[in-house]
Amino acid sequence: GNSVTQMEGPVTLSEEAFLTINCTYTATGYPSLFWYVQYPGEGLQLLLKATKADDKGSNKGFEATYRKETTSFHLEKGSVQVSDSAVYFCARTHSGGSNYKLTFGKGTLLTVNP
Amino acid sequence: GAGVSQTPSNKVTEKGKYVELRCDPISGHTALYWYRQSLGQGPEFLIYFQGTGAADDSGLPNDRFFAVRPEGSVSTLKIQRTERGDSAVYLCASSSLGQNQETQYFGPGTRLLVL
Repeated sequence: GNSVTQMEGPVTLSEEAFLTINCTYTATGYPSLFWYVQYPGEGLQLLLKATKADDKGSNKGFEATYRKETTSFHLEKGSVQVSDSAVYFCARTHSGGSNYKLTFGKGTLLTVNP
Repeated sequence: GAGVSQTPSNKVTEKGKYVELRCDPISGHTALYWYRQSLGQGPEFLIYFQGTGAADDSGLPNDRFFAVRPEGSVSTLKIQRTERGDSAVYLCASSSLGQNQETQYFGPGTRLLVL
């Protein structure tokens, strides 16, 4: 079936540190891949996405590349800020027709200290 | 523009009671999804509507859960004979047809607590 495995947290970094959150997915079909972010007290927001192999999604300094050969979509940021503190979810779409239901990873809590 | 809205934002009920959770998608979005997020977990798919019909209800945990979308816009998730294990945040998301149809926009969720 479809599944997503992401790095367990929590992750604690100092401001301006480099961030990587690993995400791998099961290689069934041709999914689109996403990173969603949930800031404290807020709803899920789309951070970035990639719809096919070798695509790179980017937003707010975050990047992730769709790697079919390693079935990965790791999230990276070169210099994190305190305001990046949030829970990050990796997700993939179901493969089939117009049904784009998402399968999510368990989430990774990131805390950035000043 | 207006995003996805959900009401109520919080719901406290007693075990065995019936609850209804409402989702108002982005105007014009034909696809609507319900998810459930338990504490410390990622959201889990419940049901998908395309227009008025439930195209995929494979995520509903049992027959106490039901959802409708009679006019292809607002959707209501209904839970009968609630159990403590139903306590979670219920999320609704919508998406449009066309180029970005794989991108879902989420509402703020309804936090359900069953005592």
